[in-house]
Amino acid sequence: NAGVMQNPRHLVRRRGQEARLRCSPMKGHSHVYWYRQLPEEGLKFMVYLQKENIIDESGMPKERFSAEFPKEGPSILRIQQVVRGDSAAYFCASSPPYDRAGYGYTFGSGTRLTVV
Amino acid sequence: SQQGEEDPQALSIQEGENATMNCSYKTSINNLQWYRQNSGRGLVHLILIRSNEREKHSGRLRVTLDTSKKSSSLLITASRAADTASYFCATGKGGSEKLVFGKGMKLTVNP
Repeated sequence: NAGVMQNPRHLVRRRGQEARLRCSPMKGHSHVYWYRQLPEEGLKFMVYLQKENIIDESGMPKERFSAEFPKEGPSILRIQQVVRGDSAAYFCASSPPYDRAGYGYTFGSGTRLTVV
Repeated sequence: SQQGEEDPQALSIQEGENATMNCSYKTSINNLQWYRQNSGRGLVHLILIRSNEREKHSGRLRVTLDTSKKSSSLLITASRAADTASYFCATGKGGSEKLVFGKGMKLTVNP
């Protein structure tokens, strides 16, 4: 039973390029969350998605960032025209529809984006 | 904001000692969770305590929750070098809504 799969693990982009981060949730999990972590800091919420729906994007920057979770395939976090300040670790987490078992989120290993 | 804040920010202890980490938050919650993060890795869920619970145990972990003081503590007993990691508290309103994480606390257990 694979956990949350994120790829790539490391991504290097030049300023102005696009970054695409992928996340496949755990089997049976229909809710996906994206978080960003700057060095030596906690996780900042970005967006919460269910299949084909964005439920809460209150943490997403207004420009250049977008996320989707299509009916088929992984969730994608897309950053257009990357800048140095986008360099961070991006984590995806998933959860079942209702956390009745109290297991919390299951996190992926993250994608470390470096903008040069 | 209901962001959790861990205290202390860093703790260094000897193997075998107990480690206590505290978390405070600002608004009402449905549950509070603790996570561990090893350097360069993702977060691992440790334990979840609901707002109607006061104490919970899991192996060497003991979590308490005081909703009147809006605070929680995580106790790791008989610490091991492998417990060296950053620990985060996160608060949730329930269901499958977003969690709000604190900045984390770095625990170092010296062999």
